[in-house]
Amino acid sequence: SQQGEEDPQALSIQEGENATMNCSYKTSINNLQWYRQNSGRGLVHLILIRSNEREKHSGRLRVTLDTSKKSSSLLITASRAADTASYFCATDTGRRALTFGSGTRLQVQP
Amino acid sequence: SAVISQKPSRDICQRGTSLTIQCQVDSQVTMMFWYRQQPGQSLTLIATANQGSEATYESGFVIDKFPISRPNLTFSTLTVSNMSPEDSSIYLCSVETGYQETQYFGPGTRLLVL
Repeated sequence: SQQGEEDPQALSIQEGENATMNCSYKTSINNLQWYRQNSGRGLVHLILIRSNEREKHSGRLRVTLDTSKKSSSLLITASRAADTASYFCATDTGRRALTFGSGTRLQVQP
Repeated sequence: SAVISQKPSRDICQRGTSLTIQCQVDSQVTMMFWYRQQPGQSLTLIATANQGSEATYESGFVIDKFPISRPNLTFSTLTVSNMSPEDSSIYLCSVETGYQETQYFGPGTRLLVL
């Protein structure tokens, strides 16, 4: 079963704008990971944030984690058409296997 | 990091038949996982496959339908048995490279059952 939901389900923006995706989960976690998937292909790992961390950056990506609210957000700054993809959050509750959110479909218009 | 390959990359199968999907990793890993992604959906864990022990299946998935082998630390197979059109999905394997570390995914096997 899915750990939680992602919001919004779909997002359409113009190139150069920022994109923010939110993820909520239900149980305590060890870490939360964000992935990108292009057109039903394999998943590309973007970033991992541990439960004792509040914020991480990687290039144009910024991830926050609020364990008290059981939520995370992924911010993509200065978006590009190549960022068009589905984005998934996934949580490790200690079982090592991941439980995925429902995903956000991002469309970046050139 | 880990480089993962899967075979086949895609297949079209007739109902009632079985397909075995292979997952090969370029390094030794303890934990491997198999996921299913139905059309337009998110990923769902099928089972965890550890070398030297039987796979652990998630609720809704059974060994008779999805037998898994894990003969060594770099290889695993997932068989989809007695297929029906509802089994049409992308099947992905993944590995974890260390405690609380990143999970890396293979490119997936896209299966269509007619």
